[in-house]
Amino acid sequence: LAKITQPISMDSYEGQEVNITCSHNNIATNDYITWYQQFPSQGPRFIIQGYKTKVTNEVASLFIPADRKSSTLSLPRVSLSDTAVYYCLVGFLQLSGNTPLVFGKGTRLSVIA
Amino acid sequence: DAMVIQNPRYQVTQFGKPVTLSCSQTLNHNVMYWYQQKSSQAPKLLFHYYDKDFNNEADTPDNFQSRRPNTSFCFLDIRSPGLGDAAMYLCATSRPFTGTGLGEAFFGQGTRLTVV
Repeated sequence: LAKITQPISMDSYEGQEVNITCSHNNIATNDYITWYQQFPSQGPRFIIQGYKTKVTNEVASLFIPADRKSSTLSLPRVSLSDTAVYYCLVGFLQLSGNTPLVFGKGTRLSVIA
Repeated sequence: DAMVIQNPRYQVTQFGKPVTLSCSQTLNHNVMYWYQQKSSQAPKLLFHYYDKDFNNEADTPDNFQSRRPNTSFCFLDIRSPGLGDAAMYLCATSRPFTGTGLGEAFFGQGTRLTVV
C-alpha cells in the first residue's frame, strides 16, 4: 500500500477555496486516488476519485500532477458545513476483489465564520 | 432509503459479555468491511469480505470475529468486550469490481459501543 502523508489539520474562513494536499510518493502504476469526508458521528462519505490530471464533480475537484506523487483536493467556497475530516486513500481494486480499504490519519478541516 | 444499515445505533454491553453488531445492505455489493473508530482517530480496518472470502487484518484481535451468512448481512461478534473496545463500529460495502480504481465505498451510520 502506498504511504500517505497529509496535513493533520487546516483552518479556513467561510467562502474561501480550500486545497488539501496528499503526498503519495510510492504510488503504483495501477493505483487510484480517492478522497472521503467524515462528519462527527457519521461514517465516511466518498467525495471523488481520480487517476491523473483533473477530475471535477459537484462537490470538489481533484488535481493530480503528471508524476502522480501527490494530489490536491480542492473545495470551492467552503461553508461551515464543510467542517469535517478528509481522508486521502490510494490503491487499486485487485482482480480478485480482495482489497483492504485502509484509511490514514486524515486532515481535520475547520471552517470559521 | 438507507443502503447500509447498522443495528443498533447505540449498544451498551457489560465487560466480558459477548455482543453482536449487525450490518445489512441493499446494494448487493460483493465487498463488506468492518471498521473500529475511536474518538479523534481514523477508522481502523478489522476485516473485510469479498463474497464469502474472509480477510482478517493482521493486527485484529482474536476477540473480534465476523460472519457473513449471505450477501446482504454481515455480523461483528466481540467475544469478551473490554473497556478498550468501546468505540464506533462502522460497516461499509463497495460496489462490484469494474476493473478500475478502488470503487466507491458506502458506509452505515455506525454502532457506538459502550462497555460498562
